[in-house]
Amino acid sequence: SQQGEEDPQALSIQEGENATMNCSYKTSINNLQWYRQNSGRGLVHLILIRSNEREKHSGRLRVTLDTSKKSSSLLITASRAADTASYFCATPRKAGSARQLTFGSGTQLTVLP
Amino acid sequence: NAGVTQTPKFQVLKTGQSMTLQCAQDMNHEYMSWYRQDPGMGLRLIHYSVGAGITDQGEVPNGYNVSRSTTEDFPLRLLSAAPSQTSVYFCASSYVEQGIAANVLTFGAGSRLTVL
Repeated sequence: SQQGEEDPQALSIQEGENATMNCSYKTSINNLQWYRQNSGRGLVHLILIRSNEREKHSGRLRVTLDTSKKSSSLLITASRAADTASYFCATPRKAGSARQLTFGSGTQLTVLP
Repeated sequence: NAGVTQTPKFQVLKTGQSMTLQCAQDMNHEYMSWYRQDPGMGLRLIHYSVGAGITDQGEVPNGYNVSRSTTEDFPLRLLSAAPSQTSVYFCASSYVEQGIAANVLTFGAGSRLTVL
């Protein structure tokens, strides 16, 4: 089973709207990362949040982390058609294995023009 | 700035054939890894390495071998391909943070493998 799981599996919004994706994980973490994958391409790192941080911003991205609930959210504000992609969170596969990052099945975001 | 280079991009094999997926990075990253991506399964870690001469198994290592003779290269070998190994394979690398954790991963563009 996957350590990190994103939800929803798919999300369709209009350009200009905000998109929120969630990630739940099972074990303790030092950090959590979010990645984006455009169709047919490799994953690209978006943002890393450490376990002692609750919120982090990067441009139109806002990530929150709640270690008590073992969950994180990724908010994309003022979405654009170019944001259409799959989004993944990455966490250690199991406790103590920070060298083994695992990814969930992702959230497929479609931004309609 | 080549980053992580994977070859080939596409490959079709017959059951039982062997092949090697190549991965090279030019960022002097200590950590390298191989993932496979299947529909609905996310990315699953096959093998990883934290430096030349050091490799370890990930979540789904069976049917795959790796070696790390140099910092730059991390080939993935399929000794006897099976249809279940049809997938998209990604190589990724990063610095090792404080000697412990894989950090921000840089991914290659992927290699799509079909086993008939």
